[in-house]
Amino acid sequence: DIQMTQSPSSLSASVGDRVTITCQASQDISNYLNWYQQKPGKAPKLLIYDASNLETGVPSRFSGSGSGTDFTFTISSLQPEDIATYYCQQYDNLPLFGGGTKVEIK
Amino acid sequence: EVQLVQSGAEVKKPGESLKISCKGSGYSFTSYWIGWVRQMPGKGLEWMGIIYPGDSDTRYSPSFQGQVTISADKSISTAYLQWSSLKASDTAMYYCARLRAESYAADYWGQGTLVTVSS
Repeated sequence: DIQMTQSPSSLSASVGDRVTITCQASQDISNYLNWYQQKPGKAPKLLIYDASNLETGVPSRFSGSGSGTDFTFTISSLQPEDIATYYCQQYDNLPLFGGGTKVEIK
Repeated sequence: EVQLVQSGAEVKKPGESLKISCKGSGYSFTSYWIGWVRQMPGKGLEWMGIIYPGDSDTRYSPSFQGQVTISADKSISTAYLQWSSLKASDTAMYYCARLRAESYAADYWGQGTLVTVSS
């Protein structure tokens, strides 16, 4: 079974900072990786699909890159409304989430 | 407008059975996978399994195989998640989500169903 390692598990950054989250797969998953944002008490929201495609309506400060086993999610300029937990998700025969990264404002 | 509407919160006792639902509208229900996601209190997201209502192809994550049953009734555009004997450890928020066929990206989500199991 494919395992997903997401890091860090939490981070604290200032408004305007560049924030980077990584996700590593235990084997090659091509570009089969999606990123989600979950705010407290809310359902998750799809931000990035197929590793680097921005979902319609999502602000351009969010981006994704990578292929194979190593993937990166970036917020180019952190905004107060970006406080949330972010998850990567791979899909092979079954979808699987990473452990999540809680993003807080410093 | 695509919508997934889940059934309401449930409070159950250990050993009881339960079936929760997720009704899709605004799209072709038989053309997309529906997945179920568990989120235990203060914890991360876990995929439980997925179903393709068009042919009822169902796949379970290893951790949930044999623990729950996922089904769908395409005539009423509704997917289900059921337990035959609940445990306290089943206490969680459960979400359904629509998955795109190409990427398994969950682009629409239900509002969640809170299941509380307590004696």
